[in-house]
Amino acid sequence: AQSVTQPDIHITVSEGASLELRCNYSYGATPYLFWYVQSPGQGLQLLLKYFSGDTLVQGIKGFEAEFKRSQSSFNLRKPSVHWSDAAEYFCAVGAGHNTDKLIFGTGTRLQVFP
Amino acid sequence: DVKVTQSSRYLVKRTGEKVFLECVQDMDHENMFWYRQDPGLGLRLIYFSYDVKMKEKGDIPEGYSVSREKKERFSLILESASTNQTSMYLCASTGGAVGAGELFFGEGSRLTVL
Repeated sequence: AQSVTQPDIHITVSEGASLELRCNYSYGATPYLFWYVQSPGQGLQLLLKYFSGDTLVQGIKGFEAEFKRSQSSFNLRKPSVHWSDAAEYFCAVGAGHNTDKLIFGTGTRLQVFP
Repeated sequence: DVKVTQSSRYLVKRTGEKVFLECVQDMDHENMFWYRQDPGLGLRLIYFSYDVKMKEKGDIPEGYSVSREKKERFSLILESASTNQTSMYLCASTGGAVGAGELFFGEGSRLTVL
């Protein structure tokens, strides 16, 4: 069965520092992978997605993620974090290529210090 | 912009009450979803619907039912609310190619059952 693991529950960084949020997945075939962000009191917003092709994908708000099949990972990165990036981040994998069901990880809460 | 509207942001109900959570989307999306979000557990799929009057169980359907009488509206029903259903409920919709995965979320309905 498909699953997603986000090993970091809570990460704290200083504003301007680089960021990497980890995501590992379990899926038998080439997965559809997603990162969503949830600002306080809001719903989730799509940051980026990977379906196929270039393994480095660019998203909104300066985020990028790299798909590494050998490591079953899809880590999210940002070179310089802004205070407004403080939020909860969710990695998700598609439950199958003929369904829109997503399986979400448990989330990583990002705190940014000035 | 796609808009997914959840009618109630905050609700407080008593054990045993019947609870309706309403969700409306304005982009003519075929697929709609109800997720439950709990700290440390991420998002878990309760029910989803890929057409009017169609529904499928997600991962945690027990204690819930749904209704989709019109394409734009997807309701989550708690027939007899219990304290363990205190949670944040998120509605989402998606259309277009199957597996495209870009879920559009509402802002959530935080339910407290006393």
